[in-house]
Amino acid sequence: RKEVEQDPGPFNVPEGATVAFNCTYSNSASQSFFWYRQDCRKEPKLLMSVYSSGNEDGRFTAQLNRASQYISLLIRDSKLSDSATYLCVGYSGGSNYKLTFGKGTLLTVNP
Amino acid sequence: GAVVSQHPSRVICKSGTSVKIECRSLDFQATTMFWYRQFPKQSLMLMATSNEGSKATYEQGVEKDKFLINHASLTLSTLTVTSAHPEDSSFYICSASWEGLAGRETQYFGPGTRLLVL
Repeated sequence: RKEVEQDPGPFNVPEGATVAFNCTYSNSASQSFFWYRQDCRKEPKLLMSVYSSGNEDGRFTAQLNRASQYISLLIRDSKLSDSATYLCVGYSGGSNYKLTFGKGTLLTVNP
Repeated sequence: GAVVSQHPSRVICKSGTSVKIECRSLDFQATTMFWYRQFPKQSLMLMATSNEGSKATYEQGVEKDKFLINHASLTLSTLTVTSAHPEDSSFYICSASWEGLAGRETQYFGPGTRLLVL
């Protein structure tokens, strides 16, 4: 089983829709989680961190459920510019700050 | 702040040649640098972790003699793909970790290098 698994997608939604991405992780020692977005043929960029208490940043809400080893990302009022691949990323600690990436879920927001 | 550059952005080479990719942290000194590879429609796969002045730590399955990493300073790491073959064609991305902006260690990614081996 892969350490970080995501919805395979792709997701195609109309502008203004609410879309949710799910992610599960297998390493219970994982300390922190992040959502990155990656545009086509570009590098990943940090979207937001996810903590046990969850957090919100504008239209984006991230949640972490340690008991279920489950992470989610909710995007409200989706914009055309939200079209990208969303990567669920885990950090399991250690001196070298190693990240483990999920395969990513492609989102296309349509006009 | 926290800008990471990579050079070249894309390279096309003949099979059997070696290709060097540079990764630089432009406005900060990186604690650690990382090299990833991403094949089409796949996730980023960590190849190696690199600290300035010490040998890189390679992930399982990554040949250290084929993918040479040199970490000359706190702002520069290089990846050399030796005797490249078509199966090495991929998107190579580096990242540099730094505590500065976020108050905790965060990885900042370079724009990536597309390698095509003919």
